[in-house]
Amino acid sequence: DQQVKQNSPSLSVQEGRISILNCDYTNSMFDYFLWYKKYPAEGPTFLISISSIKDKNEDGRFTVFLNKSAKHLSLHIVPSQPGDSAVYFCAASARGSNQTGANNLFFGTGTRLTVIP
Amino acid sequence: EPEVTQTPSHQVTQMGQEVILRCVPISNHLYFYWYRQILGQKVEFLVSFYNNEISEKSEIFDDQFSVERPDGSNFTLKIRSTKLEDSAMYFCASRKTLGSGNTIYFGEGSWLTVV
Repeated sequence: DQQVKQNSPSLSVQEGRISILNCDYTNSMFDYFLWYKKYPAEGPTFLISISSIKDKNEDGRFTVFLNKSAKHLSLHIVPSQPGDSAVYFCAASARGSNQTGANNLFFGTGTRLTVIP
Repeated sequence: EPEVTQTPSHQVTQMGQEVILRCVPISNHLYFYWYRQILGQKVEFLVSFYNNEISEKSEIFDDQFSVERPDGSNFTLKIRSTKLEDSAMYFCASRKTLGSGNTIYFGEGSWLTVV
């Protein structure tokens, strides 16, 4: 059951332009969303997150937008740099119904971003 | 910056053998996780651990898997009798507290190859 979907397996962008990575989810209980960047043979590195009470969160070149009614979020990187080339994973979690719920993450399948110099 | 550390970085084992993957979570974190990524597939949740017990586990986490926090710092994943399909990158992760704004931080991963 694919609760978090990234429909674009890959994206190529020219250096200096904007990269837009998209993510859709199906579980309306998700209340916290994260983007991770991953290089081959390394662990996911946290990039930016957004709570469901917000619709935008910005951190430097990275901005995450959340559209709850559409169950859609996107990551904007501007300007894109060659060092941004990596696989980007969208992830989501839901607050558990009990206090011991650990809010594990559900990941999308990732989008490979290539920034062309 | 504090980080989650994992050992070994790479292990090759024969089918049927037991494997223990080790993790040292970030020191003031209370929630611990194991995830895995089979080559070419998405990152999948295995198990979460809080207050010295499993709080949640996925269908993947069957009787062949177990987790333990043997002391105040280590968090281990044991696979009792490995199968070929257990070959994957295993990620340990930790989180300070629950709730929005508390991110899960991942280790570099342990690459397990079952032959």
